Parts: sequence; structure tokens; C-alpha cells
Amino acid sequence: LAKTTQPISMDSYEGQEVNITCSHNNIATNDYITWYQQFPSQGPRFIIQGYKTKVTNEVASLFIPADRKSSTLSLPRVSLSDTAVYYCLVGDLSNDYKLSFGAGTTVTVRA
Amino acid sequence: DSGVTQTPKHLITATGQRVTLRCSPRSGDLSVYWYQQSLDQGLQFLIQYYNGEERAKGNILERFSAQQFPDLHSELNLSSLELGDSALYFCASSHLVGTGGRTEAFFGQGTRLTVV
Repeated sequence: LAKTTQPISMDSYEGQEVNITCSHNNIATNDYITWYQQFPSQGPRFIIQGYKTKVTNEVASLFIPADRKSSTLSLPRVSLSDTAVYYCLVGDLSNDYKLSFGAGTTVTVRA
Repeated sequence: DSGVTQTPKHLITATGQRVTLRCSPRSGDLSVYWYQQSLDQGLQFLIQYYNGEERAKGNILERFSAQQFPDLHSELNLSSLELGDSALYFCASSHLVGTGGRTEAFFGQGTRLTVV
């Protein structure tokens, strides 16, 4: 999996939009970008996945520029329940089986 | 509910003992991953199986071993346990390898192991 760099922590307030940027300069042609969310003492949960441009689902949006060397997870109008660790993973999971997680970004949402 | 079942949920055992953690993947998923997460630590990849065969190995200690059975459930065996092995152990499953890089792993709720 390509090496990723993301902020250690971010603070926000309820109702705000949170944007977490992940850098992955060594992304390969077949690599996808995937984000997971983890609450304390729970297993990670898949949020969103994309290859290029923009992907949106009911939970978040993922913005990927043309060079694909970074990506931004956008969480609209966060609530206290969005407080969690968010992990960015980059890789071709059909060929790289390790599914390795980095340190992630701890997002704390305050009232 | 992710569809991945891990048992037991909690386990307390003494140093030097051996335990077995069990994971039942989602129906149809052939890949199973095991992870260790110590207190305030990130997820450490241990090992992955695909349809009964070991496919990738991470920082798994020699005291630890795993296998995936014909019915696709997997077991993680931890032996000669030490205090430092206390952690949450997660199992995840995913759909077929070979999906062109687009895949999603589903995690169980974990087994909390406490070694005393």
C-alpha cells in the first residue's frame, strides 16, 4: 500500500464541515483511496472509496484532484457522534493484501 | 451489524496461557484479516487468509498463529501469553480478491483480551 500522511488530530464544532486531507505522493495507477471511521472499542467502518474526481454518498464526500497525490474527506455538518478516528488507505487491494492502517486522524466534535 | 462475528467478546487469562479467537466472515467473503489494537495504539495488521490459504503476513509474533477452515471461518491462536498481548483483536472480511482494487472490508466488534 502507498504511504499516506494525514493530520494527527482535528477539532470542530457541531454543524460545521470537516475536511481531512490525506497525502499519498506515491499512489500507483491501480490504487484506490479508501476511508474508514473507527469509534473507541469498535471495529473500523468503511466510509467511502474513490479513484478520481469526486465521490459522494450519504455519509461523506471524497475529493481527489487530477494528479491523485492527495485526497480530502469531507464530512458535512458534523455532530458529536462523528467524533472518531478516520483512516485513509491507498492501495490496489486486489494485489496488495495487507490492508494496512496508519495512525489516522482523531476528529473531536464539540458542542 | 457488519455481518462479521467474533467470539468471545471478552477474554481474561493468565500469563503463559493459550487462547483461541474465532471469526466468522460475512457470507460470501473469502478473505479474512486479523488485527491487533493495543490501548491508544493503531491497528496492527497481523495476517490475512484467502479461501483457506495464507496470503499476507504482517507483524505477527511467532507465538501467534492463525488458520482459515473450509467453511471460511478463521481462528487466531495466541500462546505463551504475556501482559503486553492485552489488546483488542479485530477480524475483518472482504469480498473476492481481484476486484480491480475496489473493495471494502467489514470488521467485527473485536475480542478484548486481558492477560493478567
